[in-house]
Amino acid sequence: DAGVIQSPRHEVTEMGQEVTLRCKPISGHDYLFWYRQTMMRGLELLIYFNNNVPIDDSGMPEDRFSAKMPNASFSTLKIQPSEPRDSAVYFCASSLVSGAYGYTFGSGTRLTVV
Amino acid sequence: GDSVTQMEGPVTLSEEAFLTINCTYTATGYPSLFWYVQYPGEGLQLLLKATKADDKGSNKGFEATYRKETTSFHLEKGSVQVSDSAVYFCALTAGQAGTALIFGKGTTLSVSS
Repeated sequence: DAGVIQSPRHEVTEMGQEVTLRCKPISGHDYLFWYRQTMMRGLELLIYFNNNVPIDDSGMPEDRFSAKMPNASFSTLKIQPSEPRDSAVYFCASSLVSGAYGYTFGSGTRLTVV
Repeated sequence: GDSVTQMEGPVTLSEEAFLTINCTYTATGYPSLFWYVQYPGEGLQLLLKATKADDKGSNKGFEATYRKETTSFHLEKGSVQVSDSAVYFCALTAGQAGTALIFGKGTTLSVSS
């Protein structure tokens, strides 16, 4: 298995632009998680899905953030409009059953909003 | 709510030194506990885990024991290598299904030769 695949690896965009981050989980995993990592706040859980259904989005910082999982093999995290304070590394992770057996993380997308 | 507290870094050691990174947790119920490692420019990788009290997780020379009485899960390694330089995260998930991992803030380890 190729693992959790995220794209793009790096994204630089101007303030106000729409940004879409993509994630392909491991086949057969039924949980998918989006995290954001910054120096100041560490790893923050944004949202997670179970069987393509959003379970908890309480970590999504603002209405500018939205996430979808249209099928078991694809998820997107969209920021519209983007702001400089959104600059961070965004990780996607997937797991089987739940977190009880650990997650597999993607390599992350480093977002820079200028 | 549930939380994880790790010792602040950075931790700087010489090669072959003994490593301890402290981790304590607060949780209702019976969480599973994890250590993840993040190498520069990469995602997090599961290093080891323990799912119940007194379990010892181990991998690549690292060990951690689930101590319910002290609510701790300290990471240890007897002899570190330069290649162990990374950020280490302690994490937990509550016992019931459908709950996400909660991470500590991470501890940076730097090993010099």
